Amino acid sequence: AQSVAQPEDQVNVAEGNPLTVKCTYSVSGNPYLFWYVQYPNRGLQFLLKYITGDNLVKGSYGFEAEFNKSQTSFHLKKPSALVSDSALYFCAVRDPYNNNDMRFGAGTRLTVKP
Amino acid sequence: DSGVTQTPKHLITATGQRVTLRCSPRSGDLSVYWYQQSLDQGLQFLIQYYNGEERAKGNILERFSAQQFPDLHSELNLSSLELGDSALYFCASSGTGQGRETQYFGPGTRLLVL
Repeated sequence: AQSVAQPEDQVNVAEGNPLTVKCTYSVSGNPYLFWYVQYPNRGLQFLLKYITGDNLVKGSYGFEAEFNKSQTSFHLKKPSALVSDSALYFCAVRDPYNNNDMRFGAGTRLTVKP
Repeated sequence: DSGVTQTPKHLITATGQRVTLRCSPRSGDLSVYWYQQSLDQGLQFLIQYYNGEERAKGNILERFSAQQFPDLHSELNLSSLELGDSALYFCASSGTGQGRETQYFGPGTRLLVL
């Protein structure tokens, strides 16, 4: 069965600096990979996904993620962090041959300080 | 706004009681998923329905049940509630065709069992 790990519970960055939120996955075959963001008292918002094609995926709010098959990683990045990016970020992996099974990481809390 | 709606937003009840959570998927989406988010267990997949039929089961307790109605809205029934059932319950939906791999989440129902 597929799994996903977010090795950092918390990431702190200064506003204007680049940010990276890490995600590694385990799945047999080619994975579908997703990033979601959760703001306080809100549901999960879809940010971006990798299905196939270009390893660099661009998503909402200036975020991007790079699929690295050899390192089984899908790190979320943004060149210049905003205070409003502070939230809980979830990486998720889906087995393309099992449409029903989506596994989420434990989440990484991103804090961007002014 | 994802287009997925959930009611109620908040629910406070006592141990041993039964509650029903409601979800309306995005227009045209046939699949509905239920998740439980708690502090100690993270985001856990409970169950999926597709066009009225149960499609997959995750970590759903026997005290919990769900159904999807002909108009595609779904209800999650939680019975014999325990303190540990206090959590955020999310519904998500996905469509058919291109983009069907992406789940869109509702704002959640926060359940507090006293």
